[in-house]
Amino acid sequence: TQLLEQSPQFLSIQEGENLTVYCNSSSVFSSLQWYRQEPGEGPVLLVTVVTGGEVKKLKRLTFQFGDARKDSSLHITAAQTGDTGLYLCAGVALQGAQKLVFGQGTRLTINP
Amino acid sequence: NAGVTQTPKFQVLKTGQSMTLQCAQDMNHNSMYWYRQDPGMGLRLIYYSASEGTTDKGEVPNGYNVSRLNKREFSLRLESAAPSQTSVYFCASSELPSTGFSYEQYFGPGTRLTVT
Repeated sequence: TQLLEQSPQFLSIQEGENLTVYCNSSSVFSSLQWYRQEPGEGPVLLVTVVTGGEVKKLKRLTFQFGDARKDSSLHITAAQTGDTGLYLCAGVALQGAQKLVFGQGTRLTINP
Repeated sequence: NAGVTQTPKFQVLKTGQSMTLQCAQDMNHNSMYWYRQDPGMGLRLIYYSASEGTTDKGEVPNGYNVSRLNKREFSLRLESAAPSQTSVYFCASSELPSTGFSYEQYFGPGTRLTVT
């Protein structure tokens, strides 16, 4: 079974601070996705990274896929209260792309 | 264009009762999925249907059954509910992925199920 471990599980910081969320595994993934989930709603895709070492930016969010495709990080610069939510990473197995393996999530709270 | 819809939004069952969760998508996607979400455990795949006419077990299939009624609809049935099945259930859909790459999954708003 391929597992994805996210850290930290909970993070509460002040508006304007920077933060990094990590997603780690001992397994190699063909691609990795990051989703954000708000209370009472389903997750919504933020980004997909496919190539080892790939970096993608979405406004103040920077996503990186590890060189060995076993880990990923999400960095938020100058966090805003609107960034509050549950962040989930999800990996696609090397064989059989029909399903995703999700990490347990990082619950992020940005305080004004 | 409603995306993925789920019914009901909330449900309370007594132990041993049965129910069916309904899911429909209007994006003409081939693949559909059922997940459960529990605190601190992320999303765990219950069953999925890679294409119409096929279903496969996911990580936690015990106590559940599914039916891919047609390309649009994918239902999840609890035959004899147990307190351990108290959870939030999400349905999702995506295009049929090619090997080594998975397309974005679109999620419904979820069904909050409590089994007493």
